[in-house]
Order: sequence, then C-alpha cells, then structure tokens
Amino acid sequence: NAGVTQTPKFQVLKTGQSMTLQCAQDMNHEYMSWYRQDPGMGLRLIHYSVGAGITDQGEVPNGYNVSRSTTEDFPLRLLSAAPSQTSVYFCASSWGLGGETQYFGPGTRLLVL
Amino acid sequence: GQQLNQSPQSMFIQEGEDVSMNCTSSSIFNTWLWYKQDPGEGPVLLIALYKAGELTSNGRLTAQFGITRKDSFLNISASIPSDVGIYFCAGHLPGYGKLTFGQGTILTVHP
Repeated sequence: NAGVTQTPKFQVLKTGQSMTLQCAQDMNHEYMSWYRQDPGMGLRLIHYSVGAGITDQGEVPNGYNVSRSTTEDFPLRLLSAAPSQTSVYFCASSWGLGGETQYFGPGTRLLVL
Repeated sequence: GQQLNQSPQSMFIQEGEDVSMNCTSSSIFNTWLWYKQDPGEGPVLLIALYKAGELTSNGRLTAQFGITRKDSFLNISASIPSDVGIYFCAGHLPGYGKLTFGQGTILTVHP
C-alpha cells in the first residue's frame, strides 16, 4: 500500500492564482481531512470528509474548497491564492470518526508571493 | 473552538536525558493521541490512548491518559539523537468527527 500520497511536494504561486492540491489514499478509509501547519500553530483543520459526497468545514476553511467524488481522492482547491496561505499542507485519512489513528501524507509546501 | 495547550514549546536536552511533555484542555476528550513529525515529513502516530487513567508504552516512550480526561503526558526515556522532531498531542471529542491538535513541542537532542 502507498498509504496517503500528496502532490505536488512544492509549489510557488503568485497572489490571485488558483491551484489544486491532490491527495489520495489506498487504504479504503472513509474519513479524510486537510490540515495546514504554521510555525507555533500546530495543525489546524481546513476541511474534512466522512465519505464520498460528504464534506464539512474545519477550523480555517476560508479561501479553500474541497470535494469528495470517490473514496480514494480528496483534492483541496485554493480559489485565489493569498500570501496568508503560505504554509505546509497535510492530508490525512482514517477508518472512522471515533478517534481512530489518522495517517498523514508527506505534505505540500506552498509559497504564495 | 476547542483548544489544547501543549508544553513546553521547545526542549534542548543532552543525549541520554529523559523528556516529559504534556497537553491540557478545558474539554473532556475520549481519545488522546501522540504524534511525532520528523523534519520534512508528515506526523506519524506514536501512541494512542482510549481510556482515562490508561498508561501505555512503546519502547522508550510512555504516555498516560489523565484521570480527568482533560490532559495527557508523554515521556521519553534515555533520549537519542533520532528523537529530534516535533511532538504533537491530539484529542478526539465525543460526538465530533475530527481531532484537535496541540501546538507541538520541538525537541532537540545534543549528542
């Protein structure tokens, strides 16, 4: 199993550009989520999904969109990139909602100029 | 939203020393998890705790789920250079389908 994969590993954007961060998992997990990591802030939840076709907002959803058309994929879209979105983004997946272990991808490092 | 307070924020220790870090919350959690993040990587689960008072070990690591369900502790014994990284606690609230993370403890181990 590849686990959780993320692409790209690095990305530089100009303010106002849009892009999609890809996330895929091959463990048949129902629950997937996106976090951003900033120095001193820990991991903050952006959006999450409890299954195909179902998504919900996390702690910091503004400026981001998600969709979940399949169990395997959970892309994160930046609609109009801003410097405040410079961060490291992690995708994670788990079996369910009962506090089960979340498996993290390797991260995408994004710089918005 | 719910918050976890993790301390200390950073630690600089000598190889061989023991390490302790903790997380506290104003909310009751039904699961506590401890993750380690190596530089340039995603977090990896170290220990999961599911019951108040539970004490669980994983090699040199020991973690406890506080009796009040509002705190948790992680201890690392006889630290080695590869223990370097960021350690995160995470809690799961009853009825919520998501984890809340602490701010992280940055551990530096000097040989």
